Parts: sequence; C-alpha cells; structure tokens
Amino acid sequence: GAGVSQSPRYKVAKRGQDVALRCDPISGHVSLFWYQQALGQGPEFLTYFQNEAQLDKSGLPSDRFFAERPEGSVSTLKIQRTQQEDSAVYLCASSLGLARRQETQYFGPGTRLLVL
Amino acid sequence: AQSVTQLDSQVPVFEEAPVELRCNYSSSVSVYLFWYVQYPNQGLQLLLKYLSGSTLVKGINGFEAEFNKSQTSFHLRKPSVHISDTAEYFCAVSDGQNFVFGPGTRLSVLP
Repeated sequence: GAGVSQSPRYKVAKRGQDVALRCDPISGHVSLFWYQQALGQGPEFLTYFQNEAQLDKSGLPSDRFFAERPEGSVSTLKIQRTQQEDSAVYLCASSLGLARRQETQYFGPGTRLLVL
Repeated sequence: AQSVTQLDSQVPVFEEAPVELRCNYSSSVSVYLFWYVQYPNQGLQLLLKYLSGSTLVKGINGFEAEFNKSQTSFHLRKPSVHISDTAEYFCAVSDGQNFVFGPGTRLSVLP
C-alpha cells in the first residue's frame, strides 16, 4: 500500500510569502504528526491530530504557523509571512491508532522549504 | 521534560566491521525508546523500539539495541555493517505524552 506522501517536495519562497504544505497519511491512520527538521538536527515536534481534532499544537513556533486536518485524512501546514528561520524540512508522520506515543510513526519524505 | 543525547555526530566504519551508535536520555518518568533511520532523500523509517519486557530489542536489517535503565542508555549495535547501512540514525524517546528526537548520528560505511 501507499505510504505517507507529502507535496511539494521542494518549495522556495520569498520572505513574507505564505506557503502551504500538504500531507497525505496512510489510509485509515487516526494519528497525524508534523515535525520541523533543521539542517543537521533531529526532527522537532510541531503539532498532533487525532482524526480531525488538533489535540496538541505546543510545538508550533509562532502564530504564523497553522495546521488543519478538516476531514480527518489530508492535512495542511500553513506558514504565513515566511521568515528565513522557517527554512527547514517539514516532516509529516501518521500512525494507526490512538496510543499516541507508543505506536510506530510512518514518515513521509518531507518538504524542503527554503525562504530567501 | 525529557531529552536525548547522541554523542557522536559522525561515525565512519569499514564494511563488515561492527558498529555501536550511542544514545543517552534523561527523563523523570518511564519512557519508550526508538531508533529511526533516514536514508538520503527518504523519510524516517523505524528500526526498532523498546516499550517493555526484554531489554534487548532486535530490529530490521540486523540491528539491535539494549535498554539500560541504570545508565539511561539505548545504544544501537550491528555486528557487521554493509555499504547500504550508510544513513542518518536518530534515537527518540517518548514518555507517553511527548516525543523527542536526538540530533542524529551519520553512519558512513567505507569499502
């Protein structure tokens, strides 16, 4: 079956531009996570959805970051008024059930965002 | 809050040699422990995880890790590496609420 997919794979934005990053999780997966991975570092948690409900957004770095999953499947991470420090790889992961931190997370290939 | 330390940012090793990638964590509560691998231009893939039970965990591709509670470590080992094992390896810890990754270790297997 298909894994987690993300689009676009690469995005170049001018500072101040808004961007939208899409994640298609594995079909039937209840949980969905977004991470930010800066160059040379491990992924850092941004936000977590259980179906359509955003249960944890404690990792979002500022109010310019917004995520949604309106129908409990596809999710979009939106960054408004992008800044150079937003340049990173944005990873999406999904897991099957509700045991949020115990289950295996399946990761997409990421979207590499470069803000000029 | 928990944290994860991977002391070696880069580990070069010759093909067919053994390797150990170190991971230490800090947490005030019981944790779950994971190792993920990231091949170039690919997403992270789970190698193995420790939830409970036996402290020696076997994973895919011949990797294994041992949970040592007293030393708060979860080192990853492989007795004989292949060129195809060249990748970035991430240790991660979860206390059931938060999920935290280490900074990663780049394993380079040399011919």
